[in-house]
Amino acid sequence: EAQVTQNPRYLITVTGKKLTVTCSQNMNHEYMSWYRQDPGLGLRQIYYSMNVEVTDKGDVPEGYKVSRKEKRNFPLILESPSPNQTSLYFCASSPWIFTEAFFGQGTRLTVV
Amino acid sequence: DQQVKQNSPSLSVQEGRISILNCDYTNSMFDYFLWYKKYPAEGPTFLISISSIKDKNEDGRFTVFLNKSAKHLSLHIVPSQPGDSAVYFCAARGSGNTPLVFGKGTRLSVIA
Repeated sequence: EAQVTQNPRYLITVTGKKLTVTCSQNMNHEYMSWYRQDPGLGLRQIYYSMNVEVTDKGDVPEGYKVSRKEKRNFPLILESPSPNQTSLYFCASSPWIFTEAFFGQGTRLTVV
Repeated sequence: DQQVKQNSPSLSVQEGRISILNCDYTNSMFDYFLWYKKYPAEGPTFLISISSIKDKNEDGRFTVFLNKSAKHLSLHIVPSQPGDSAVYFCAARGSGNTPLVFGKGTRLSVIA
């Protein structure tokens, strides 16, 4: 089954404790991206990657890192999480930047 | 500066009637527009798209209309069904390596 898989689905952590949210897609898509969804703000892009080893900032990259060492994986790294990063995070992939994106099921992160 | 605006946070429609969800954009470089549907606890799923060279695209009960001069698009759902109750996101992108820009979403409730 074609899918984008995020882990974990739910995470509660403390301020400053590094964490990684994994994202994997099995569709051989070139393009992957991370979004956060906040009430009243919709979906905002954090980072995107057009191919292996090619990443770029989206609208709200501060406090986040990403890497794209393999085509299928695009982890989101929070080196020192803060409470304002409490949000619902979505990973997405698409065959190319110009086509519709497939989203993962989301990761609800709470930073206390 | 919000480039994609969905000014109605919510909409209620009776089952069987038409649902019209609206979206305005400010960036004249946008040339591809998409609608996504999102159920609670799930990631957004692609619904329908339209290129700027068209003014209408239809897929079953879903039709998207694009008015480039007004920088406005709308999603029509006819007839509306209770299973259509979800949050609908409008998204847009320009040419080149530009990422998708999402609106804040409109929550549609279809009442039986």
